Formats: sequence, C-alpha cells, structure tokens
Amino acid sequence: QVQLQQWGAGLLKPSETLSLTCGVYGGSFSGYYWSWIRQPPGKGLEWIGKIDPSGNTRYNPSLKSRLTISEDPSNNQFSLKLNSVTAADTAVYYCAREREHYSDISGYSYYFYYLDVWGKGTTVTVSS
Amino acid sequence: DIQMTQSPSSLSASVGDRVTITCRASQSVTVYLNWYQQSPGQAPKLLIYGASTLQSGVPPRFSGSGSGTDFTLNISSLHPEDFATYYCQQSYGTPRTFGQGTKLEI
Repeated sequence: QVQLQQWGAGLLKPSETLSLTCGVYGGSFSGYYWSWIRQPPGKGLEWIGKIDPSGNTRYNPSLKSRLTISEDPSNNQFSLKLNSVTAADTAVYYCAREREHYSDISGYSYYFYYLDVWGKGTTVTVSS
Repeated sequence: DIQMTQSPSSLSASVGDRVTITCRASQSVTVYLNWYQQSPGQAPKLLIYGASTLQSGVPPRFSGSGSGTDFTLNISSLHPEDFATYYCQQSYGTPRTFGQGTKLEI
C-alpha cells in the first residue's frame, strides 16, 4: 500500500525559502501526478500545484512567481520550494498523489482526477 | 479560477441522522467533482470522485450526485466517526479549487 512521507523545515523567518520533500513508498512513482496542498490554521484547503508524469508543472497562479515543484524519480521523491515566505504562508502543507482514472460511462469517455493518497502533513510556521 | 461554494458551513446532527451537504461551482465542471472528509488533525480522505463514484473502502452510507454546477453529498445514517469536515473539489481545470468546507458537528 503506497504511503507518502514528507519532511522539511517547520520554522522559517520572513523572506526565507520553504523547502519540503515527499517520498513515495510501497508503490509506483511513475504514471501519477504529484501534488502539494496547504491548509492555514483553522482554514480550508488550498491547492498549491502539481507535477505530471512527464515532469510538467502546473501552479496556482497566486503562488506561481515564488513556487517550484520538482521531482526525483530515481529516489521516488518530489519537492516543493516556496521563496520569500511571509506569515501568510504559515500552514500545514500536504503532499498528495493525484490519480488519473479512465471511465466509460454510457458510451462517454471520462478521465477523472482525484487525490487518493495523502501525506500526514508538515506544519510550517513563518515568524520573525 | 473556478470558485466552489459549500453550504452549509456548519451543520449539527445526531448519530443516525441523514444529512446533505451541497456544493456549487461558479461554472460547469460537468462531473469532475470530488468529495473529501477531514477529521481533526488528520489529512483529508477521498470519499467520492466523478461526482458519484464511491472510493474503494468508503462505506455505502456515503453517496454523491449532481452534474454541471450543483452537487450534493449525502450521508444516509450518521456514525460517530462521520463527525468531521467535508470538502468538495473540482478537477475540471487548474488551479484545482476546494470549497470552504462544511463542519459536521454532533
């Protein structure tokens, strides 16, 4: 059963770079979309971005200028870097697997995408 | 971006009750709508994808319906472990967006 284990610095000062890594264990790395999601304290979920099986990235426009998502397939890992953090970046950060699932429903083809495996989350606090 | 709006934001219910949570998209997402459950201190868990397909291992008391812009999540008979926060999410386009959440309380 695939598991995601994530790690990285939990306390940052303003203007520093947030850096997190997520390792994929017990399952295949290839063929999936590897994603990052965050949750500010007491708030809802915000999609950060993802990297696809070809290594292409899609980012939330609100974070795009500061964001880099990369992968290391040889080590079954993917990473998040967010530059120039502020207090507004304080959140629990989750890595997750987005799966592409093909279905034929009444003769129509659908490619469903959903986040079916999640890491436990890393709390990142930005404070001077 | 596609905005997702859930209602209600919070809901009080009792064990055994049937509850319905709604999710509305700012534009059509056809059936590209997922539902997640998040218990306190835990990562979200996928319940339903494609608006109505139950994820493997999820109890059948959960069901989803809808298409276009309006969707519902139903829980037919609440169990104690169902008291959590529920999120809808569209996977029609990027950025992926979530509803603000519905907190289901005892």
